Amino acid sequence: SAVISQKPSRDICQRGTSLTIQCQVDSQVTMMFWYRQQPGQSLTLIATANQGSEATYESGFVIDKFPISRPNLTFSTLTVSNMSPEDSSIYLCSADGQDPQETQYFGPGTRLLVL
Amino acid sequence: AQSVAQPEDQVNVAEGNPLTVKCTYSVSGNPYLFWYVQYPNRGLQFLLKYITGDNLVKGSYGFEAEFNKSQTSFHLKKPSALVSDSALYFCAVSALYNFNKFYFGSGTKLNVKP
Repeated sequence: SAVISQKPSRDICQRGTSLTIQCQVDSQVTMMFWYRQQPGQSLTLIATANQGSEATYESGFVIDKFPISRPNLTFSTLTVSNMSPEDSSIYLCSADGQDPQETQYFGPGTRLLVL
Repeated sequence: AQSVAQPEDQVNVAEGNPLTVKCTYSVSGNPYLFWYVQYPNRGLQFLLKYITGDNLVKGSYGFEAEFNKSQTSFHLKKPSALVSDSALYFCAVSALYNFNKFYFGSGTKLNVKP
């Protein structure tokens, strides 16, 4: 199994600023993902963080708003840029299992409140 | 496109009674289905998954789920609920060509009362 940590665990930010969230996995993984969970709602996939190449974004999410880095096989960052109150959410990263018999593991999440 | 639906926003059950949290799916090809639980202020924890094989899948904390192809369902069950089972439960399906890419249901809040 993989253990995933995220920093910060929570933050309160002013609109117009940016926040970078870090995700660290305790073992090398092929794929990492970033999800958003808006208040009272389900998880929505933002993007797949690819090591050595640009992230793959889902419909409705763009690189300018959510730039992602993946410098190695154990680490990724998600930046929420030019924040507005609508960006207030929980942001979770996850890491893959190596095949369908494995399980996708999730970090504890970062709670973001934008004022 | 792959998707799952959780028709109940909330399920209430008395401690000691059996519980069922419903999930139906719509997929192309063979589905990979998952259940996760989210406790307050915590991340998602894996409960169980169906990839292939037996339709009845047993998972963590005494939970099990039954894959029903004819009804396209994957309901989560537990014979005897505990107050500590109270949490938010998510059903998920993986993408057709990328089994690590998940699509989640809307979530069901389970309330177990003493």
